[in-house]
Amino acid sequence: KQEVTQIPAALSVPEGENLVLNCSFTDSAIYNLQWFRQDPGKGLTSLLLIQSSQREQTSGRLNASLDKSSGRSTLYIAASQPGDSATYLCAANYGQNFVFGPGTRLSVLP
Amino acid sequence: SAVISQKPSRDICQRGTSLTIQCQVDSQVTMMFWYRQQPGQSLTLIATANQGSEATYESGFVIDKFPISRPNLTFSTLTVSNMSPEDSSIYLCSVAEHNEKLFFGSGTQLSVL
Repeated sequence: KQEVTQIPAALSVPEGENLVLNCSFTDSAIYNLQWFRQDPGKGLTSLLLIQSSQREQTSGRLNASLDKSSGRSTLYIAASQPGDSATYLCAANYGQNFVFGPGTRLSVLP
Repeated sequence: SAVISQKPSRDICQRGTSLTIQCQVDSQVTMMFWYRQQPGQSLTLIATANQGSEATYESGFVIDKFPISRPNLTFSTLTVSNMSPEDSSIYLCSVAEHNEKLFFGSGTQLSVL
């Protein structure tokens, strides 16, 4: 069964810290992996997409890495800000079958 | 990037009634997805809506409870029928651009009293 897990479930950090969110998937035969941000009661906003042939993608203060063989992806957030507070979800794409992780709820304290 | 307009953004409904959620995309897409997100949980796929054919429902979801329409390549609706408090969730529509990158609408937060 294809499953995606995320660690930690929740994280609280002071403003300015660098932090890492983890995503693990049981089936390494992914087409790509996508990271999303979700604000309370809202839809998902795409942050980064990494193709299975790529090792990492960067957008501003965000960097996502992918180790397909070990079934892991990480989202690195540099110099965190209170506006980064949200839930972060990863989704593994198995050919139009998208499997979501449960998310990491991030709070950045001013 | 696909832009998706979803409405209503939220609603409070009485038990036994039905609510129809609309999803409009700014480009033509083959597949649209409807998800449910129960409080504190991740996303669960309800069904995949293809234009010109019946929607494909996931295990645990049935057409009588969640009828879906897909009249063209830019629009879809999901109806939550005969609602109960257990249907209180966020409902999300989504499209896969080039069949690989997901984009989401802003979500419909539904509360059933």
